[in-house]
Amino acid sequence: SYEVTQPPSVSVSPGQTASITCSGDKLGDKYVCWYQQKPGQSPVLVIYQDTKRPSGISERFSGSSSGNTATLTISGTQAMDEADYYCQAWDSSTDVVFGGGTKLTVL
Amino acid sequence: QVRLQESGPGLVKPSETLSLTCSVSGGSISSNYWSWIRQAPGKGLEWIGYIYDSGTTNYNPSLKSRVTISVETSKNQFSLKLTSVTAADTAVYYCAREIYGNNGNSEGFVYWGQGTLVTVSS
Repeated sequence: SYEVTQPPSVSVSPGQTASITCSGDKLGDKYVCWYQQKPGQSPVLVIYQDTKRPSGISERFSGSSSGNTATLTISGTQAMDEADYYCQAWDSSTDVVFGGGTKLTVL
Repeated sequence: QVRLQESGPGLVKPSETLSLTCSVSGGSISSNYWSWIRQAPGKGLEWIGYIYDSGTTNYNPSLKSRVTISVETSKNQFSLKLTSVTAADTAVYYCAREIYGNNGNSEGFVYWGQGTLVTVSS
């Protein structure tokens, strides 16, 4: 079955840029979404189709994808961005697949 | 604004069937993709399956033998049944709606319920 892999944790200083990766075989050939989940809350879509931002999502969130890796970038990271982030892709064998999640800590 | 609300027992005994319902308001349940997604305590998200429109379903291969998702259009609800549950099925269960664009490509899970915790224990 298809799998996508994320680092368990990423740390960033306030105001700096955070990058969270998602890796999978030929992931660049598939569309990737990113979700933000804060403790006790439901996930929120922050990026879809690799690079697009839903209405209401800060411009500080951006996405890219190439080869085997998709990346969520958060510029000017703020304390409010501290959360778990999940990538999600589609595959013909498993349909929807989520990454294991990355805990973003804003130090 | 589309709203989703999960409901069902919070406690299920091992080997029994977990049954949950998702009530949809603010939009029609027809001609849309409706999914169940779960999250074990302290763990990541796991897609369970979806139902499209009034009957087309697709399930996570790892759960396929135990899962049934159905829709009741007249009530604007869809449901999840998971049989032969074990402690490993203890999780927060979310219902969610996946949006598709005019080009036929998914735009992700835009709408989510608040989630409901189901504990499997005797």
